[in-house]
Amino acid sequence: KAGVTQTPRYLIKTRGQQVTLSCSPISGHRSVSWYQQTPGQGLQFLFEYFSETQRNKGNFPGRFSGRQFSNSRSEMNVSTLELGDSALYLCASSLITGFGEQFFGPGTRLTVL
Amino acid sequence: AQTVTQSQPEMSVQEAETVTLSCTYDTSESDYYLFWYKQPPSRQMILVIRQEAYKQQNATENRFSVNFQKAAKSFSLKISDSQLGDAAMYFCAYRSAQSNFGNEKLTFGTGTRLTIIP
Repeated sequence: KAGVTQTPRYLIKTRGQQVTLSCSPISGHRSVSWYQQTPGQGLQFLFEYFSETQRNKGNFPGRFSGRQFSNSRSEMNVSTLELGDSALYLCASSLITGFGEQFFGPGTRLTVL
Repeated sequence: AQTVTQSQPEMSVQEAETVTLSCTYDTSESDYYLFWYKQPPSRQMILVIRQEAYKQQNATENRFSVNFQKAAKSFSLKISDSQLGDAAMYFCAYRSAQSNFGNEKLTFGTGTRLTIIP
């Protein structure tokens, strides 16, 4: 069974631009969560989607948004990029039932210049 | 809000020896899950071991085991017979068990970088 895939793997943008990151969960997984990882702030929860609905949101400004499609694929968008948005963005999917173990993708490394 | 604390930014251990990584957490909930994730230089987060709070028995996965002390809110990871491939960042994480829908959020500690000395 294929794992969680994220595209693109690397991205370089300039301040003020916007960016869209994509995440394809493991087949059958309906929950997708996004995390931002930076050296200064560590791993921080961005948001979680289940059945195309945002179920939970972390403490990030409105420039960070996301959505989930009917096939459970998810995208996150960051508008008006700032230097501080440079980070590794990780996506995780889970089955929800039972333990709800989360399986992580390889991440998208975003660099904002 | 829940918090997870890892007080050891770095640890090192001789190959084949045993090492214990510490984790404490704070929560007012009675039912939750605890996890240890490993993040090697490739950056791929890999689940190492998990523990359900309502289970008193400590989880074990091959060379990895935990010491779960619910009253003390402590969740340490023991790695036995350390191998070079164990070198990575290790993150302790907490997840509420209140609901299976809309509660997948993991709260992570700051991580412990483990170095294996050949």
